[in-house]
Amino acid sequence: AQSVTQPDIHITVSEGASLELRCNYSYGATPYLFWYVQSPGQGLQLLLKYFSGDTLVQGIKGFEAEFKRSQSSFNLRKPSVHWSDAAEYFCAVGTYNFNKFYFGSGTKLNVKP
Amino acid sequence: GAGVSQSPSNKVTEKGKDVELRCDPISGHTALYWYRQSLGQGLEFLIYFQGNSAPDKSGLPSDRFSAERTGGSVSTLTIQRTQQEDSAVYLCASSSSGTSGSPEQFFGPGTRLTVL
Repeated sequence: AQSVTQPDIHITVSEGASLELRCNYSYGATPYLFWYVQSPGQGLQLLLKYFSGDTLVQGIKGFEAEFKRSQSSFNLRKPSVHWSDAAEYFCAVGTYNFNKFYFGSGTKLNVKP
Repeated sequence: GAGVSQSPSNKVTEKGKDVELRCDPISGHTALYWYRQSLGQGLEFLIYFQGNSAPDKSGLPSDRFSAERTGGSVSTLTIQRTQQEDSAVYLCASSSSGTSGSPEQFFGPGTRLTVL
């Protein structure tokens, strides 16, 4: 069955430090992978997506993610976190015909000054 | 409109009552999705509409839940005989294509449903 696991419920990093949010998926075919951010009181915003090609994808706000098929992972990274990055981050996998998207349970990011 | 809109933004109801939640997708978007986000949980897929095709209802948790999409645009999610476990944020998303291309989903702000 398709599923997405985000093993870290909460993460706290200092402003300026690097960030990596983990995402593992289970899907029987080529996955279409997404990272979304949800700020308090805001809707979900797409950060980046992977469909095919280069396994390192760049997104908005300085985020990037790397698809590793052998590890079934799609981890999100940012070299230097800003206080405005504090939010909840969701990883998702879409089926081949995009009729379903499976979301992880989210990782809440706190940023220390 | 510029984005996906949902109404109401908040709904408080009593157990056993029926509720209707509305979603206005981005104009021209053929695909529409409903999700449920319970406290501390990820998004749970509920239902998917694509153009004039029959909707994929496989995510609806019980027969108390139903949804329709009129004229390929506005969608209504109906919950009958609400239960306390129905309390959640209900999110709607639309995309320009559900079958090809770049199916980025645009999410609405959600409706927070509280069942007393």
